Amino acid sequence: GEEVAQTPKHLVRGEGQKAKLYCAPIKGHSYVFWYQQVLKNEFKFLISFQNENVFDETGMPKERFSAKCLPNSPCSLEIQATKLEDSAVYFCASSQLISAGVGSNQPQHFGDGTRLSIL
Amino acid sequence: KNQVEQSPQSLIILEGKNCTLQCNYTVSPFSNLRWYKQDTGRGPVSLTIMTFSENTKSNGRYTATLDADTKQSSLHITASQLSDSASYICVVSGIKGSGGYSTLTFGKGTMLLVSP
Repeated sequence: GEEVAQTPKHLVRGEGQKAKLYCAPIKGHSYVFWYQQVLKNEFKFLISFQNENVFDETGMPKERFSAKCLPNSPCSLEIQATKLEDSAVYFCASSQLISAGVGSNQPQHFGDGTRLSIL
Repeated sequence: KNQVEQSPQSLIILEGKNCTLQCNYTVSPFSNLRWYKQDTGRGPVSLTIMTFSENTKSNGRYTATLDADTKQSSLHITASQLSDSASYICVVSGIKGSGGYSTLTFGKGTMLLVSP
């Protein structure tokens, strides 16, 4: 599609439950990025993919967060054993592959986010 | 540490007036600087992208400037409209690693309210 599609828009989970978020990047875009935005503050980078391969996962809390981008499926971000502090809006973005510098002069196109509320 | 600082944190202006938002950064090595507009409840939308060699770039009523020497950028909004009410986020792209991978550092945004 022409837009990054994130589902669901809102997700409510009890503390300790699992949460799974989905992202369909723009068709033809090879790079997918996940960000966490807490209380309308700055975006925290979590992980990026080049097609189905993890490109940079330096922002991922390793213990409970995992993500995948499988061929012919939406990308997903899964949080196990959720905590209150995981409450945030999770944004997915995608960008085109270019020859020099990953996404360096291409805008990242963002979805509208999934608002995750942990009760 | 790479940082992006934006000012002011928030701003209220009357419809039809102009305003200028500021962004200072310490990202190095520098690749490019982007301004995004984020409406409430939506994802950010790209307004402009400027590389090291570009001093100014316009997108309709939005004009961004970049001074790579002083590491400062501004976003000027002309003849503001109610629909300009949003958060404006400055994002600086740095280069990481020998492969030229670009990493983004986000500012906290300036919340603009345009009042009738």
